[in-house]
Amino acid sequence: QAGLTQPPSVSRDLRQTATLTCTGNSNNVGDQGAAWLQQHQGHPPKLLSDRNNNRPSGISARLSASRSGNTASLTITELQPEDEADYYCSAWDSSLSAWVFGGGTKLTVL
Amino acid sequence: EMQLVESGGGLAQPGGSLRLSCAASGFTFNTYWMHWVRQAPGKGLIYVAGIRGDGGDTQYADSAKGRFTISRDNSRNTLSLQMNSLRADDTAVYYCAREADGFDVWGQGTMLTVSS
Repeated sequence: QAGLTQPPSVSRDLRQTATLTCTGNSNNVGDQGAAWLQQHQGHPPKLLSDRNNNRPSGISARLSASRSGNTASLTITELQPEDEADYYCSAWDSSLSAWVFGGGTKLTVL
Repeated sequence: EMQLVESGGGLAQPGGSLRLSCAASGFTFNTYWMHWVRQAPGKGLIYVAGIRGDGGDTQYADSAKGRFTISRDNSRNTLSLQMNSLRADDTAVYYCAREADGFDVWGQGTMLTVSS
């Protein structure tokens, strides 16, 4: 089942900005947008941004999500050590009638 | 506090069956789509199945079609996943998750190992 494409890894320095990308197609990201999840090792995922690019309560304003065509992006400013985690995008795919995930991006804060 | 608690994981034989459960609390369970997502050790998140709030519609990933059945009991605020014809590649942590324009509430997961 086709998924969304994310770069496997991104590294940035402390207090810098990281932009993570998620590429799909017109049946998923381009149609319904993408939601973003963060997962620390040994923990369940946590929603950072829903598919309308809204942050749930309690999620830092350093995080912002956007979409351009079939590509969704998550930008994290002023990187902190606790931002080091795996990040996943997810989208509803209307052709598959199922949700799909990206393979995940491991963010390393140097 | 919104909470999801999975149970039912463990060791299963290839070709065997297992039923996972997820107990929900802290929100109006019957108004949300609920889903199962799995994660093999060291791997990414994989969608498994979903069910509408009233139980009247279901969704399955290709890997689950014909083998897994998702169901819910709104009187008990419980989500279930019946898994048949298990294979080694079904080995994973299985999470239940609530959908609200994204998966916004997750359980801690239950581990399933399929091995002889």
